[in-house]
Amino acid sequence: QQQVKQSPQSLIVQKGGISIINCAYENTAFDYFPWYQQFPGKGPALLIAIRPDVSEKKEGRFTISFNKSAKQFSLHIMDSQPGDSATYFCAARGYQKVTFGTGTKLQVIP
Amino acid sequence: DGGITQSPKYLFRKEGQNVTLSCEQNLNHDAMYWYRQDPGQGLRLIYYSQIVNDFQKGDIAEGYSVSREKKESFPLTVTSAQKNPTAFYLCASSVIPTGYGYTFGSGTRLTVV
Repeated sequence: QQQVKQSPQSLIVQKGGISIINCAYENTAFDYFPWYQQFPGKGPALLIAIRPDVSEKKEGRFTISFNKSAKQFSLHIMDSQPGDSATYFCAARGYQKVTFGTGTKLQVIP
Repeated sequence: DGGITQSPKYLFRKEGQNVTLSCEQNLNHDAMYWYRQDPGQGLRLIYYSQIVNDFQKGDIAEGYSVSREKKESFPLTVTSAQKNPTAFYLCASSVIPTGYGYTFGSGTRLTVV
């Protein structure tokens, strides 16, 4: 019930393409869904987040799409750049803590 | 600048030794967390604390211990009872109510030699 399933595990996208990472959850008590970006040797940093009463949130090239009935949400990175190469984690906020997905390693090739 | 400082960046431990990882924050956050990161397994919660002198076990607390004597500090001890301690350890903090955005440190990579 506390799991957040994330796919794919790794992703290679050409520069300028769209990167899509998907997550699914079971616990309907989750009330906030952040995405974190992590560069090698660093801690994750909050990238963008959404509440379940909103179906989409966009910040620059990053968009979260949220499907409450399907209990799924996804991160779309438009016009992907080599500097976007990092590991991305979806997450879900429950009671007193956050559960993270297993991560997606994104590589954007020139 | 406000942030979280983890030290050391790299740590080597001999089997049977206890080691302590440091985590200090100057963000005035009430809640602090320790996560373990292994390839392909994401971030798994070890311990968390929402107030000084109080902490709760996370999903993988066995073989670890913590203390929270000051609001700014949340050290993690990896004991000899932890059978597979080699991992990347991340400390985080947040305001209360928790979860609306963590600030993470840069991590400590622990290797058993």
